[in-house]
Amino acid sequence: EPEVTQTPSHQVTQMGQEVILRCVPISNHLYFYWYRQILGQKVEFLVSFYNNEISEKSEIFDDQFSVERPDGSNFTLKIRSTKLEDSAMYFCASNRESSGGPSLSREQFFGPGTRLTVL
Amino acid sequence: AQKITQTQPGMFVQEKEAVTLDCTYDTSDPSYGLFWYKQPSSGEMIFLIYQGSYDQQNATEGRYSLNFQKARKSANLVISASQLGDSAMYFCAMREGIQGAQKLVFGQGTRLTINP
Repeated sequence: EPEVTQTPSHQVTQMGQEVILRCVPISNHLYFYWYRQILGQKVEFLVSFYNNEISEKSEIFDDQFSVERPDGSNFTLKIRSTKLEDSAMYFCASNRESSGGPSLSREQFFGPGTRLTVL
Repeated sequence: AQKITQTQPGMFVQEKEAVTLDCTYDTSDPSYGLFWYKQPSSGEMIFLIYQGSYDQQNATEGRYSLNFQKARKSANLVISASQLGDSAMYFCAMREGIQGAQKLVFGQGTRLTINP
């Protein structure tokens, strides 16, 4: 069964350093997302991406964040200068089509997450 | 205002009993979808069940069913015959609209513990 993959599973970095979190969405999916979950809290939307551009971003997604789909398979989240409060689990997700499609295609598939620890 | 509200921070249930996890939502969009995800201690998000706002019947997936009450704006998850492996965090989420990329908005979650 196809799945969303993320690397690395755990990243430890020093405050102020740049990090790149990598995701490989399911191959025929068109819509891509990043979410984050601070330990013990709910999952929060960061950004959505379609047709090689950002569709929507949350207030969390400030100038320190950027996303890219550098080739046909990878989808990356870059944090330019990490802060302590960026420590969280980051999830990548994808879905094939908008929810006007059949029920089974509406599911948003999540990757296993990258746990980012900023020291 | 919260779009998704889960009022039960924790639930404790005996094995083999049925359990209902509550979720209420708030939207003015007539087209929306409601999701339940399970997050075990390992951290991954596992999709359980989906209910569309126009779906005529309540969704079911094996031991999971969704008690969808549109007028009350509630979408409670029912797990029948609970198992020890059901112990996890459960998140209710909503997607609004039918076009384009649509983010999920999550509730705070309910931690379910199944006792032997």
